[in-house]
Parts: sequence; structure tokens; C-alpha cells
Amino acid sequence: EAQVTQNPRYLITVTGKKLTVTCSQNMNHEYMSWYRQDPGLGLRQIYYSMNVEVTDKGDVPEGYKVSRKEKRNFPLILESPSPNQTSLYFCASASDGRVRETQYFGPGTRLLVL
Amino acid sequence: KQEVTQIPAALSVPEGENLVLNCSFTDSAIYNLQWFRQDPGKGLTSLLLIQSSQREQTSGRLNASLDKSSGRSTLYIAASQPGDSATYLCAVSAGRYSGAGSYQLTFGKGTKLSVIP
Repeated sequence: EAQVTQNPRYLITVTGKKLTVTCSQNMNHEYMSWYRQDPGLGLRQIYYSMNVEVTDKGDVPEGYKVSRKEKRNFPLILESPSPNQTSLYFCASASDGRVRETQYFGPGTRLLVL
Repeated sequence: KQEVTQIPAALSVPEGENLVLNCSFTDSAIYNLQWFRQDPGKGLTSLLLIQSSQREQTSGRLNASLDKSSGRSTLYIAASQPGDSATYLCAVSAGRYSGAGSYQLTFGKGTKLSVIP
């Protein structure tokens, strides 16, 4: 089954404790992206990747890191989480980063930073 | 900067009604527009994708239109059912050229639809 998976689905952590949210897709997609969704603010893009070893900032990259060492994986790293990073995070992928394709979204990771 | 607005923020209709959800965007230089559905606690599911050269797309009871020049799109749902209850998100894509080149999706905040049996 074609899908985007994220782990963990729920995470409670404390300020400053490094964490990684994994994202994996099995569709051989070149394009992958991370979003956060907050009440009243909607979905905002954090980082995206056009292909392996190619990443770029979205609208709200501060406090996040990403890497794309393999085509299927695009982990989101919070080196020193803060309470303002409490949010619902979505990973998405598309066959390429150009204009004609829809994005497929993972189920989301709900993060609470205390 | 592209801004996407969806009105109304919430809508409640009786089962069987036809309904229209609205989406407007400020910059008409888009590549495509997509409508997504989001169910509580779940990810987004793409419903319809309209390329900038197209005027509408249809899938089953759903019909989406695009008027790029006026910065508007509508999602028409025919004969609504309780299973249509969800939040509907509109997203537009525009070019962001930073070296490799790519496109960015800008989302509206959604319309929460409740279909009452």
C-alpha cells in the first residue's frame, strides 16, 4: 500500500531534550516536506526536500533541522525543543517538486513540549 | 506573500443539501490549486487538483472550479452525507525559486463542515 508513515504518532517531551520525528514513504517520491498545524494559523511549511541531499527552508524553519540521506526518509529533528514547538506535525511527499502533482500526507505526529 | 482565505470557517447543513465552500487567494500567479479533506486526528487526503490552465475538476459528488484571474475557487458538494463531515482545506502552489527551484503550498485555514443526519 502506498503510504507516508510517521513515528511516533504522539510524543510528550521536556524543553531542551533533543528529539527526532521520522518520516518514510514507499512511493519512490523525490519531493518530501514537513508542515506544522496550529489552531488559527493553519498549515505552515517547515522544510522541504527536492531530492536526496537537497533541502530548503519553508516558512517556519527556526528551531528545526532536517536531513535527506535516502530517498524514502526525511526525519525532522528538534535539537532543543521549546514549548512553542508544541504542535501537530505532518510529513508529505510528491513524485517530484514541480507543479503538477498532489502531495500525499502522513497521519501526523502530535507533539507536546513541557 | 500569498494568502489563502476560506469562508466560512464552519458550516452546518442537513443531510442531502448541496453546498459550496469558498477559497480565495491573493496572488493569481499559481501553478495549481488543491482541495484536501482532513478528518479529526488524521492526515490530509487530496480530493481534487486543478492545474492553473484548467477551469474545473470533478470527482464523484465533488466539483471544484478555479477562476485564477479573480483569485477564487469553489468546492461544490452535491447531496451531502454525514460522512462528508470533515475540515476542508484549500491550498495553492506557487513557484519558489531558490537554486534548485520548487513549489510551495500555501494553505487556507479550512472550513469545518458538519452534515446533520
